[in-house]
Amino acid sequence: QVQLVQSGAEVKKPGASVKVSCTASGYTFTNSAMHWVRQAPGQRLEWMGWINAGIGNTRYSQKFQGRVTITRDTSASTAYMELSSLRSEDTAMYYCARESPAGADFDSWGQGTLVTVSS
Amino acid sequence: EIVMTQSPATLSVSPGERATLSCRASQSVSSNLAWYQQKPGQAPRLLIYGASTRATGLPARFSGSGSGTEFTLTISSLQSEDFAVYYCQQYNNWPYTFGQGTKLEIK
Repeated sequence: QVQLVQSGAEVKKPGASVKVSCTASGYTFTNSAMHWVRQAPGQRLEWMGWINAGIGNTRYSQKFQGRVTITRDTSASTAYMELSSLRSEDTAMYYCARESPAGADFDSWGQGTLVTVSS
Repeated sequence: EIVMTQSPATLSVSPGERATLSCRASQSVSSNLAWYQQKPGQAPRLLIYGASTRATGLPARFSGSGSGTEFTLTISSLQSEDFAVYYCQQYNNWPYTFGQGTKLEIK
């Protein structure tokens, strides 16, 4: 079955960068897109961006444009999300989510990576 | 950006009863609407996509309806495991956006 396993929790200082990984198994990695979604404490889910794992093109939410970079390593079936210039408001749970082959909904999710930004 | 608005914010229902959750889009999203369930400490789980198609393995007590700007998720007979937060999401336009969630709690 499809499984997405994310890297562990991170604590960062304001101004730093964080890079979260998402390793996929149970399907052909390059056949699906991968999205990144975050959820700040008590807040709604927020879409950050997307990568076509096959050809590597990306699209980002304008809110994060310039601060977020999504990449992938096809040999490792792993997607990465790097967020720079961190501020306290970036403290959140970050999820990767696979785009369904049948549509653009998210049919499988990683377990989440908690990123805490604190001085 | 399309704004998704869910109502009510909290819904109190007794086990065995029916729950009806609503989601409204600020502009048409056609049928490109999904519903997710999230329990405390867990990642969201896909329930419904294409506004009305159940995800693999989802019990038939869950159903989705609607198109355009008005959508509904109905749970026909609530089980204990259904009490959670439910989010709608549109994937018709970039950026994809989510509603603020409806918390379904035990009455």
